[in-house]
Amino acid sequence: GAVVSQHPSWVICKSGTSVKIECRSLDFQATTMFWYRQFPKQSLMLMATSNEGSKATYEQGVEKDKFLINHASLTLSTLTVTSAHPEDSSFYICSALDPNQPQHFGDGTRLSIL
Amino acid sequence: AQSVTQPDIHITVSEGASLELRCNYSYGATPYLFWYVQSPGQGLQLLLKYFSGDTLVQGIKGFEAEFKRSQSSFNLRKPSVHWSDAAEYFCGSSSNTGKLIFGQGTTLQVKP
Repeated sequence: GAVVSQHPSWVICKSGTSVKIECRSLDFQATTMFWYRQFPKQSLMLMATSNEGSKATYEQGVEKDKFLINHASLTLSTLTVTSAHPEDSSFYICSALDPNQPQHFGDGTRLSIL
Repeated sequence: AQSVTQPDIHITVSEGASLELRCNYSYGATPYLFWYVQSPGQGLQLLLKYFSGDTLVQGIKGFEAEFKRSQSSFNLRKPSVHWSDAAEYFCGSSSNTGKLIFGQGTTLQVKP
C-alpha cells in the first residue's frame, strides 16, 4: 500500500487564493521530504527540500515567498502556494525520504487556477 | 554537476517484444540510481534501484536494469512488454543526501 499520502489530489480555485497541499509519510518517519513540480509531458523538477524542524532549501529560481514549505513533524510536510495565479497551475508531487532510501512518492496534486 | 539523460523521448514497441530504455548519468562518485514509472495523472512508482553490489538489478513487473560504470549507463530492460506497461518512465540519480535528479522521461507506447 501507499507509504506517502498526498492531499488533496485535485484542486481548482480562483486566482489570488492560497492553496495548501499536505504530504504525509505513513509507515516511517521522514526527516526529509521533497516537493516537485511537473508540467504536462515534462519531467519532474525539484522545487525544494523540506527538512523537519528547519527551513526548507529551495532550488534556484523557485520563489520561497510564493511556495511556502512547512515541515513541522516527522510525518508531515505542507506546501502552500500563496496568491496563486494561472501560471502556478501544475502537477505538484511530494516525496518522503526513507532512511534506507529511496524516496517514496505521493500520488500528486493537480492544481488548476482559474 | 549531477545530471541524468534519457536520450529517447518516445518509444513504441509491439506487445510481446523486448524493451530497452536508455539512461545515462553524470556524477563524480557512484550515484544511487533508480527507475520510476508514472501513469497519466498519477504519482511515481519505484521499479528498481541500484546502490552497490551486483550490477544487474531485478525490479517489479518483470523489469531489470544493468549498471555499467564504464558507460555511465543504467538502462532498463524487459524481455516481453505487456500493454499495461504503456506509461512514462523516469530514470533518476541521487547522492547520499537523497536529492533526486530526474531525466527527461521516456514515453512508452505499446502496439497491440
